[in-house]
Amino acid sequence: EAQVTQNPRYLITVTGKKLTVTCSQNMNHEYMSWYRQDPGLGLRQIYYSMNVEVTDKGDVPEGYKVSRKEKRNFPLILESPSPNQTSLYFCASTCFRGPKETQYFGPGTRLLVL
Amino acid sequence: DAKTTQPPSMDCAEGRAANLPCNHSTISGNEYVYWYRQIHSQGPQYIIHGLKNNETNEMASLIITEDRKSSTLILPHATLRDTAVYYCIVPRMEYGNKLVFGAGTILRVKS
Repeated sequence: EAQVTQNPRYLITVTGKKLTVTCSQNMNHEYMSWYRQDPGLGLRQIYYSMNVEVTDKGDVPEGYKVSRKEKRNFPLILESPSPNQTSLYFCASTCFRGPKETQYFGPGTRLLVL
Repeated sequence: DAKTTQPPSMDCAEGRAANLPCNHSTISGNEYVYWYRQIHSQGPQYIIHGLKNNETNEMASLIITEDRKSSTLILPHATLRDTAVYYCIVPRMEYGNKLVFGAGTILRVKS
């Protein structure tokens, strides 16, 4: 079954304690991205990756890092989390077929930074 | 500078058709219209997309006006599980033709 998985699904942490949210897809997609979703602000893209070792900033990259060492995995790293990074995070993997673009989203990770 | 405009919310009776409108008056000739939905706190889910012809799949129908300036997503027999936020999206060139999610329409299906 084609899917995007994220772990953990829920996380409570404290300010400054480094954390990593993993994302994995089994569809062999080249393009992956991370979003955060906050009430009233919709989905905002944090980082994206067009292929292995190719990453770029999205709309709200401050405070985040990513890596793409292999095609299936795209972890999101918060080196020093702060309370304003409390949010719902989604990883997405994108399939491009000609002009058609279909994004497959993970189940989400709800993060609370105290 | 949003490329799409949707009503913030709509209600629909269970079993009736839900018709969700979207305006995209600045759409270019080769840009597709995409519809996604997001059930509470889950990841968004692809529904359907179209260019200029009407489209139908197992989830919904998409009606695009002849001038392509607006479209309507139709859920023919809405159920309570269709309660979600529905996003109408046209790829934004300033974002590298990526899909950018706006606020969408909150559809509440009521029994």
